[in-house]
Amino acid sequence: QKEVEQDPGPLSVPEGAIVSLNCTYSNSAFQYFMWYRQYSRKGPELLMYTYSSGNKEDGRFTAQVDKSSKYISLFIRDSQPSDSATYLCAISASNTGKLIFGQGTTLQVKP
Amino acid sequence: DTEVTQTPKHLVMGMTNKKSLKCEQHMGHRAMYWYKQKAKKPPELMFVYSYEKLSINESVPSRFSPECPNSSLLNLHLHALQPEDSALYLCASSQGGDRLFFGSGTQLSVL
Repeated sequence: QKEVEQDPGPLSVPEGAIVSLNCTYSNSAFQYFMWYRQYSRKGPELLMYTYSSGNKEDGRFTAQVDKSSKYISLFIRDSQPSDSATYLCAISASNTGKLIFGQGTTLQVKP
Repeated sequence: DTEVTQTPKHLVMGMTNKKSLKCEQHMGHRAMYWYKQKAKKPPELMFVYSYEKLSINESVPSRFSPECPNSSLLNLHLHALQPEDSALYLCASSQGGDRLFFGSGTQLSVL
């Protein structure tokens, strides 16, 4: 069993839709949860960072962590074509930069 | 300045060549990282430097040799690589912890 599972998609939605991206993980020791966005031929860009459980909101983006279910989510409201990218969840147990990434979900937002 | 700069952007090398990848950050971050990303796969950690000292080596083959000359610079020396080493090599930095800032990467092709 992989430490982090993420559906690779691709996921295609119309502009303005609400997008839900999800990951599950297997080890309850993980405490730090991140979402990165990666455009083609670019490095990953940190979108959201959450420690332990709960919700965090930043503009159109909301991250949720449910440690009891070992489930993390990223919601994108009012999606835009510029949101088209690969979204990677990442988890860590040690806060040392040793991140374990999910497979990444490719998102396409159509105008 | 919130950038991590990597050079070169592209590199083609033969299996007998020696080359180096370079990374620079001016955010005052104390930790720097090398990650490797194969096509359509998530990044995988190779090395972590903390306060210019190697703190994590993820059992990377010795044909990859990292170097941290000072707190702003990180190099990855390459020698006798194999075609399967072709990948996007990503440098990242952080102020400790898991909030990593990634560069755009060096796309390496080994012939």
